[in-house]
Amino acid sequence: GQSLEQPSEVTAVEGAIVQINCTYQTSGFYGLSWYQQHDGGAPTFLSYNALDGLEETGRFSSFLSRSDSYGYLLLQELQMKDSASYFCAVGSGSARQLTFGSGTQLTVLP
Amino acid sequence: NAGVTQTPKFQVLKTGQSMTLQCAQDMNHEYMSWYRQDPGMGLRLIHYSVGAGITDQGEVPNGYNVSRSTTEDFPLRLLSAAPSQTSVYFCASSPGLAVGYQETQYFGPGTRLLVL
Repeated sequence: GQSLEQPSEVTAVEGAIVQINCTYQTSGFYGLSWYQQHDGGAPTFLSYNALDGLEETGRFSSFLSRSDSYGYLLLQELQMKDSASYFCAVGSGSARQLTFGSGTQLTVLP
Repeated sequence: NAGVTQTPKFQVLKTGQSMTLQCAQDMNHEYMSWYRQDPGMGLRLIHYSVGAGITDQGEVPNGYNVSRSTTEDFPLRLLSAAPSQTSVYFCASSPGLAVGYQETQYFGPGTRLLVL
């Protein structure tokens, strides 16, 4: 089966940089995805890494190391609206069904 | 485009009752899926479909049934509701199985279900 580990909570101040780590164990790895979910809302897609290295999308970046079964999401210039839960996910199986981690609750303080 | 829509938003059931959670998407996506999310946990896959007429089980399929007669609709049926099925249910879709597409899923707003 698949398993993913990420910290349950992270706290940072506005304007700072925060890194959310994710380690995974899976068979047939295709890539690592990241989703954001505000309280009570629908998860929204942030990024996807299929290959090693850093992908940048505005203030958010995502990194993958396939050899270490490890990735992270980097959020820069934190804003209050970034307070949310962040989930990493891996695909597996014939349809690359997603398995999600338990999520990291990010709290941004003023 | 409305994206992925789900009805109802909230539902209260008694143990043993059955009901259908509706999900529709207007993006012509091939892949659709149902997840449940319990407090403090990630999303767990219940059932998924790779196209009309094709469905398969996910991680937690027991007590749920699905069908996919059209590309647009993917209803989830609770056969005999149990308190353990109290959860938030999310429907999602993606353009297809090509690498990168499947990993980009669009989620509906969710249905909050309470089973007494």
